Amino acid sequence: QKEVEQNSGPLSVPEGAIASLNCTYSDRGSQSFFWYRQYSGKSPELIMFIYSNGDKEDGRFTAQLNKASQYVSLLIRDSQPSDSATYLCAVNTEIKAAGNKLTFGGGTRVLVKP
Amino acid sequence: EAGVTQFPSHSVIEKGQTVTLRCDPISGHDNLYWYRRVMGKEIKFLLHFVKESKQDESGMPNNRFLAERTGGTYSTLKVQPAELEDSGVYFCASSLRRSSYNSPLHFGNGTRLTVT
Repeated sequence: QKEVEQNSGPLSVPEGAIASLNCTYSDRGSQSFFWYRQYSGKSPELIMFIYSNGDKEDGRFTAQLNKASQYVSLLIRDSQPSDSATYLCAVNTEIKAAGNKLTFGGGTRVLVKP
Repeated sequence: EAGVTQFPSHSVIEKGQTVTLRCDPISGHDNLYWYRRVMGKEIKFLLHFVKESKQDESGMPNNRFLAERTGGTYSTLKVQPAELEDSGVYFCASSLRRSSYNSPLHFGNGTRLTVT
């Protein structure tokens, strides 16, 4: 079993719709959770992070965390063609004051069609 | 503010040769990380520096890989001798020295290494 699992996609959504991405993780000790967006050939770019159960909203993005069920999701509202990218779920399982070692999922490719 | 910069962006070398990758973190970031993504796999952690000290090198594949961060500024990752399975994209990331909750990683664009 992979430590962090994501559906590879592609997830195809029409422009203006909601894209829903899911991520499950195996380590119950995981502390913080990150969503990165990566365009082809570019660096992963942080979208959101969450560490408490529940929802966290930032603009068109909402992250949802359920530690009991060990999943974290990302909703993209009013999807735009520019949202087409690979979305990476990353989990931090270590509590170290100095650092932030991440375990990544394989990423979900999202295609927003005009 | 300049982001994390990596050099070169691409490198093609033959099996058995040596390659050195360079990473310049964001100024003031004590934490520096190397990650790697090989074809079809997830991005995997290689190692973590705090300033010039190696905090965690548990992800380094073998002793053909050597990372340094002399002076606690830029870092180099040397592969010697390179093997075919070393091909992939090598990412560098940096962050401030605070708790993980509010010090996310900032990634560079990566170095695409191809070993033939």
